[in-house]
Amino acid sequence: EPEVTQTPSHQVTQMGQEVILRCVPISNHLYFYWYRQILGQKVEFLVSFYNNEISEKSEIFDDQFSVERPDGSNFTLKIRSTKLEDSAMYFCASSEDRRLAPVEQYFGPGTRLTVT
Amino acid sequence: LAKTTQPISMDSYEGQEVNITCSHNNIATNDYITWYQQFPSQGPRFIIQGYKTKVTNEVASLFIPADRKSSTLSLPRVSLSDTAVYYCLVGLDSGGYQKVTFGTGTKLQVIP
Repeated sequence: EPEVTQTPSHQVTQMGQEVILRCVPISNHLYFYWYRQILGQKVEFLVSFYNNEISEKSEIFDDQFSVERPDGSNFTLKIRSTKLEDSAMYFCASSEDRRLAPVEQYFGPGTRLTVT
Repeated sequence: LAKTTQPISMDSYEGQEVNITCSHNNIATNDYITWYQQFPSQGPRFIIQGYKTKVTNEVASLFIPADRKSSTLSLPRVSLSDTAVYYCLVGLDSGGYQKVTFGTGTKLQVIP
């Protein structure tokens, strides 16, 4: 069964450093997403991406965050200058383009980001 | 997006049927109801989705009354491996994607 993959599984970084989290969505999917989950809290939507541009973003997704699809397979989340409160599990997800019906999102296993 | 309310936690013995009810009083006409499951340290996983009446797949059933202001996820004969958090979500973007907004979910603990 096709799956979303994410690398690395765990990233430790110092406050103020830039990090890039990588995702490989399912190959025929056209919508891509990033979510985060702070330990013990709920899953929070960050951003959705379609046709090489951001479709929607939450208030969490400020200027410190950016997303990119650098090639035909990868989808990345960059945090420009990490803060302690960015420590969380970051999930990538993807879904098909089915315009007349709702679609399920397929989530990756997550990248645990620890900012020290 | 419609707000959802579901129990914070539930316990069940192995082999029992578990029903988790979710309230979504302000569901919109175009909204679908979707349930996800999340195991610790893993990403959420889609379980089932429906619009009205009853939907069944190999994992679960989803019951939606006529007014659609609530829905019930039914897990038949749960096992220890069903211990997880279950999220009810409501919403739809007709452009093809669903902005998925997770609530706190229901933490299901299956007891041997």
